[in-house]
Amino acid sequence: GDSVTQMEGPVTLSEEAFLTINCTYTATGYPSLFWYVQYPGEGLQLLLKATKADDKGSNKGFEATYRKETTSFHLEKGSVQVSDSAVYFCALRVSGSARQLTFGSGTQLTVLP
Amino acid sequence: EAGVAQSPRYKIIEKRQSVAFWCNPISGHATLYWYQQILGQGPKLLIQFQNNGVVDDSQLPKDRFSAERLKGVDSTLKIQPAKLEDSAVYLCASSTDTDTQYFGPGTRLTVL
Repeated sequence: GDSVTQMEGPVTLSEEAFLTINCTYTATGYPSLFWYVQYPGEGLQLLLKATKADDKGSNKGFEATYRKETTSFHLEKGSVQVSDSAVYFCALRVSGSARQLTFGSGTQLTVLP
Repeated sequence: EAGVAQSPRYKIIEKRQSVAFWCNPISGHATLYWYQQILGQGPKLLIQFQNNGVVDDSQLPKDRFSAERLKGVDSTLKIQPAKLEDSAVYLCASSTDTDTQYFGPGTRLTVL
């Protein structure tokens, strides 16, 4: 079945540090890939997505590139801020009539001033 | 534009009691999802509606969980009777025909 494996947390960084959160996937078909973010007390929000190999999704300084050869979609940011503290979820959706998301277990990021 | 609304935000019940959660999706969104998010895990899909029809309920424990979406708008998820392992955050999401799902703030259920 489809699955997503995320780098285990929690991750603690100092402000302006470089961030990488690893994500790899297994899919029966050709998936779209997503990163969602969950700020404390809020629902999940779409951060970025990529729908085909070599696509790069980007938003708010975060980037992730769809790597089919390594089945990966690692999240990166060059300089994190305290406001980036949240839980980050990698997810996939295999094309088809149902638009269900399969999520990873999430990575808690804490950025210290 | 108003987001996905859910209520209540928190609920504490004893095991074997019943509980219901409500979700109002973004106006015009035909697809509605209910997810269960156990602490330390990613959300897991319970049921997906397209308008008022069920698209997928393969992971819904039908002996105790039920859901409905009357008139293709808001939806109710019910648990009867609740078990300790049902303690989780229940997330509702909605979408149009695009890839983007919009999530509500969730209902945190604690079963004692």
